[in-house]
Amino acid sequence: AQSVTQLDSQVPVFEEAPVELRCNYSSSVSVYLFWYVQYPNQGLQLLLKYLSGSTLVESINGFEAEFNKSQTSFHLRKPSVHISDTAEYFCAVSDRPIQGAQKLVFGQGTRLTINP
Amino acid sequence: DTGVSQDPRHKITKRGQNVTFRCDPISEHNRLYWYRQTLGQGPEFLTYFQNEAQLEKSRLLSDRFSAERPKGSFSTLEIQRTEQGDSAMYLCASRKNSNQPQHFGDGTRLSIL
Repeated sequence: AQSVTQLDSQVPVFEEAPVELRCNYSSSVSVYLFWYVQYPNQGLQLLLKYLSGSTLVESINGFEAEFNKSQTSFHLRKPSVHISDTAEYFCAVSDRPIQGAQKLVFGQGTRLTINP
Repeated sequence: DTGVSQDPRHKITKRGQNVTFRCDPISEHNRLYWYRQTLGQGPEFLTYFQNEAQLEKSRLLSDRFSAERPKGSFSTLEIQRTEQGDSAMYLCASRKNSNQPQHFGDGTRLSIL
């Protein structure tokens, strides 16, 4: 069984400040890792993913996350946030494609609030 | 690519009534998922289809819940004899193959009076 822990339920940050949203996971098998963002009354949008290769992955809007296998972490960072980054952020894991559904297992989410 | 479409966006019903939600996945996505998200929580897996075959169901999917994907395209999720605890956002996701991420619809928000 897999589990995901997002260590902060809420993170308030001032505009243009850096931010880190923490994510730790537990799994007995190799996993894929994801960050999704959810705006109010909307579904989830993929922000970035780690499948293999470089442990540092980046999104088009300035976010990055680093896969740390020894610490089983996949923290999300952005050096300078904007008001528009205010949203709920979910970390998720899935099995690698050997067999089965590869369903996503989500953390409880981190609400990022950007203050002017 | 028109995205995953879910209908309705909102459903308000009385306890004990039956409800049905529809999901239209992205064209050519043969894998389809249903998740449930309660307030303040992350989504939880309900069930998975590959084409028309329902290959996995969560223990969260009680006998009051049934999902179908009759022609391997759109899917429906029905809840019979709704209960207060069924109030949640029901999310549908689809993907093309095992190396592609899941794409989510905007969900159906169910409120039980």
